[in-house]
Amino acid sequence: GIQVEQSPPDLILQEGANSTLRCNFSDSVNNLQWFHQNPWGQLINLFYIPSGTKQNGRLSATTVATERYSLLYISSSQTTDSGVYFCAPLYNQGGKLIFGQGTELSVKP
Amino acid sequence: EAGVAQSPRYKIIEKRQSVAFWCNPISGHATLYWYQQILGQGPKLLIQFQNNGVVDDSQLPKDRFSAERLKGVDSTLKIQPAKLEDSAVYLCASSQIGSGRAGNEQFFGPGTRLTVL
Repeated sequence: GIQVEQSPPDLILQEGANSTLRCNFSDSVNNLQWFHQNPWGQLINLFYIPSGTKQNGRLSATTVATERYSLLYISSSQTTDSGVYFCAPLYNQGGKLIFGQGTELSVKP
Repeated sequence: EAGVAQSPRYKIIEKRQSVAFWCNPISGHATLYWYQQILGQGPKLLIQFQNNGVVDDSQLPKDRFSAERLKGVDSTLKIQPAKLEDSAVYLCASSQIGSGRAGNEQFFGPGTRLTVL
């Protein structure tokens, strides 16, 4: 079946540090979303990015669809960035998102 | 713009009991999804509706789970009878246009956390 791998699985940062999260996927995609799941369980949309690069404040994302990966960059991390980050490609054969296992980020003050 | 609404937020039941969850998608969104998220994992699709028709229910355990979206707006997911392994967060999502097409960004509700004892 379709595989989505995220790395690293866990990440601990000091406030102010930068980080890069990676998402590899096994098949060609129609689109891809990045989410932040906060400690209360809410999935918050970060990016909707089939290819190229997008930026939103301290966060940016790059998807290289031909090489089947996407990256999420977090700069100047804050404690409120803590939580689990999921990537979820959307495949051509249907409308469902296929989620990875997530990267659990903890930002320490 | 109001987001996806779900209720209840929490539910605790005994095994073999039944339970129902409700979802109201973002206004005007044609497609509605129910996902199951087990602790420590990413969400997994259970069922997808476009308007009031089922697009994909291949991962729905149909012997105990059912879902409907009768008027193409809100939806109900039911479990009967519940098992211990059904303990999870049930997430509802919606998107503006149909499956498999570009521009199909999904937005999620806050979820219902189910505990089966």
